[in-house]
Amino acid sequence: DAKTTQPNSMESNEEEPVHLPCNHSTISGTDYIHWYRQLPSQGPEYVIHGLTSNVNNRMASLAIAEDRKSSTLILHRATLRDAAVYYCILRDPPAITIQGAQKLVFGQGTRLTINP
Amino acid sequence: GAVVSQHPSRVICKSGTSVKIECRSLDFQATTMFWYRQFPKQSLMLMATSNEGSKATYEQGVEKDKFLINHASLTLSTLTVTSAHPEDSSFYICSAKGDRRANYGYTFGSGTRLTVV
Repeated sequence: DAKTTQPNSMESNEEEPVHLPCNHSTISGTDYIHWYRQLPSQGPEYVIHGLTSNVNNRMASLAIAEDRKSSTLILHRATLRDAAVYYCILRDPPAITIQGAQKLVFGQGTRLTINP
Repeated sequence: GAVVSQHPSRVICKSGTSVKIECRSLDFQATTMFWYRQFPKQSLMLMATSNEGSKATYEQGVEKDKFLINHASLTLSTLTVTSAHPEDSSFYICSAKGDRRANYGYTFGSGTRLTVV
């Protein structure tokens, strides 16, 4: 089961910042927070990931709460191409075990609509 | 870098036939591959995890005899939907995990839309 909760949908305007929240209250100390997005009829695309510190890359920023029980994905200037379903994911299990690779278990995600 | 090619992108087959979907990591070695299924307006559901050279591990409720997974090399995994029925119509997506690259090792294919008529 997914270990994160996100709003079902959000809406924003083009060229404005977007803040996508995610709650992960059961996160463990070794859990990385991953964000992926899925455009219509495509496979998911990596956006960003982080552990404790805030992270920035060319696509977005990730702000992680001090207690790590929540995080926020920030799109600084949304474009129409950013319209997608955004998934906040914790790997399962949180640490590598002899049982095998960690899986990405997807929740329902947030469907982001961008208005022109 | 870290590109996963999935083929075909869409396929239509008759009920009762089998369909094979290929997933290839083009520029890295995929030690683990994952297969997901996605129904319209729903999220991705993990079906199985496969490691090169060993049997796949299926998630609860997924029929291993119906969804045959082969991971014969570090760059290729295949999913065969056997005796397909209309309820198997779905969007199938593979993911490959290799070494630690820019995206922390999980790269997704572009998906295969299967329609069973």
